[in-house]
Amino acid sequence: QKEVEQNSGPLSVPEGAIASLNCTYSDRGSQSFFWYRQYSGKSPELIMFIYSNGDKEDGRFTAQLNKASQYVSLLIRDSQPSDSATYLCAVNIRNYGGATNKLIFGTGTLLAVQP
Amino acid sequence: DTEVTQTPKHLVMGMTNKKSLKCEQHMGHRAMYWYKQKAKKPPELMFVYSYEKLSINESVPSRFSPECPNSSLLNLHLHALQPEDSALYLCASSQVGLIWIQETQYFGPGTRLLVL
Repeated sequence: QKEVEQNSGPLSVPEGAIASLNCTYSDRGSQSFFWYRQYSGKSPELIMFIYSNGDKEDGRFTAQLNKASQYVSLLIRDSQPSDSATYLCAVNIRNYGGATNKLIFGTGTLLAVQP
Repeated sequence: DTEVTQTPKHLVMGMTNKKSLKCEQHMGHRAMYWYKQKAKKPPELMFVYSYEKLSINESVPSRFSPECPNSSLLNLHLHALQPEDSALYLCASSQVGLIWIQETQYFGPGTRLLVL
């Protein structure tokens, strides 16, 4: 069973701080990784994807990937109350024999940014 | 533009009703997905269509029937649902044919379904 694990939280950080969200995965063959943000009652919104070891930055967001340790993380700098949401980590699993692949989601981490 | 649209936004149906959910994208994506999401749970894959052909069926009960009439449209036909089928139904789309690790799924706003 291919699994993606996240701490469900809530992770509470003060406004302006760095929020660090972590995710581990079990399939060593996984190649690409996605972070989605989901506000309560809304659909998942893509924040970033990463498939090379190291860091990838986009504005206040930095995704970090370490394939040897099988973890991926998301850092949010200068956290704002509007960042309060559930953050879903997803791993792209190769669908051998099929034309598409599929995402395996973690259970999500609830982030609460306190004003 | 990374927009996927879904209609209706909300749907209430009885267990004997037949209804359909609709999803549309105009990004030229050739893979489309249906997910089901219960409260405080991650999205759960139901079906995948690739080039208008069913690629993945995650052992979904037959009371859910997907259809992909063309490359931009995806429907989910519902019949004889149970109250436990109440959930947020999400549609997503992605390109196909890239280096597979670059396939990125974009989600629609979802249809919130309540089965009475």
